[in-house]
Amino acid sequence: QVQLQESGPGLVKPSETLSLTCTVSGASVNSEPYYWTWIRQTPGKGLDYIGYISNNGKTDYNPSLNSRVTISADTAKNHFSLRLSSVTAADTAVYYCARLTIGDVWSIYYYYMDVWGKGTTVTVSS
Amino acid sequence: DIRMTQSPSSLSASVGDRVSITCRASQGIGSYLNWYQQRPGEAPKVLIFGASTLRSGVPSRFSGSGSGTDFTLTINTLQPEDFASYFCQHSYMTPYTFGQGTKLEFK
Repeated sequence: QVQLQESGPGLVKPSETLSLTCTVSGASVNSEPYYWTWIRQTPGKGLDYIGYISNNGKTDYNPSLNSRVTISADTAKNHFSLRLSSVTAADTAVYYCARLTIGDVWSIYYYYMDVWGKGTTVTVSS
Repeated sequence: DIRMTQSPSSLSASVGDRVSITCRASQGIGSYLNWYQQRPGEAPKVLIFGASTLRSGVPSRFSGSGSGTDFTLTINTLQPEDFASYFCQHSYMTPYTFGQGTKLEFK
């Protein structure tokens, strides 16, 4: 059974860097055909896609965060990480890591997030 | 970015009812539409991908339809555990975006 678990500080000061790690068990971060994503949720804005890292290290970031976000993976520790720099109160959210997988329906490939971590709350405040 | 608009934002129903939630994309997305259920304090859980394919293990009372810009999630014979929030999400291209959610509440 695949499980994901987020970890990291629950409180970050404005202008500092938010750093979270997602530890994966039951699967490998470098196994195909998976992508490893970060999503955040706020009461006001709902669910937001932050970005992903693929099994071979390719990354994709939401352009709204592009200049501030970095997603990396450590295959030895079987985890992947999120760094978000220059945070403001608007970055206060529940942060989820999730596995993006591919569903094959009559040879059409659909991407969806099939396994999620429980989420971790990050508050940006001085 | 593709904007996803769900309606209604909240819905009151009773156990045994049939309900439908709609999701509209700001441009055509083929069938690249997923539906998630989220219970309070929990992470979202995928119900349907590819607009109409039921994820393994999801009860058959859930169904999805639509293509292009208009999509529907239907829940037949509501069960107590179905009272939750529901989100659509497109996977047509990145950045993936979500609808704002529909909260299904007891009448």
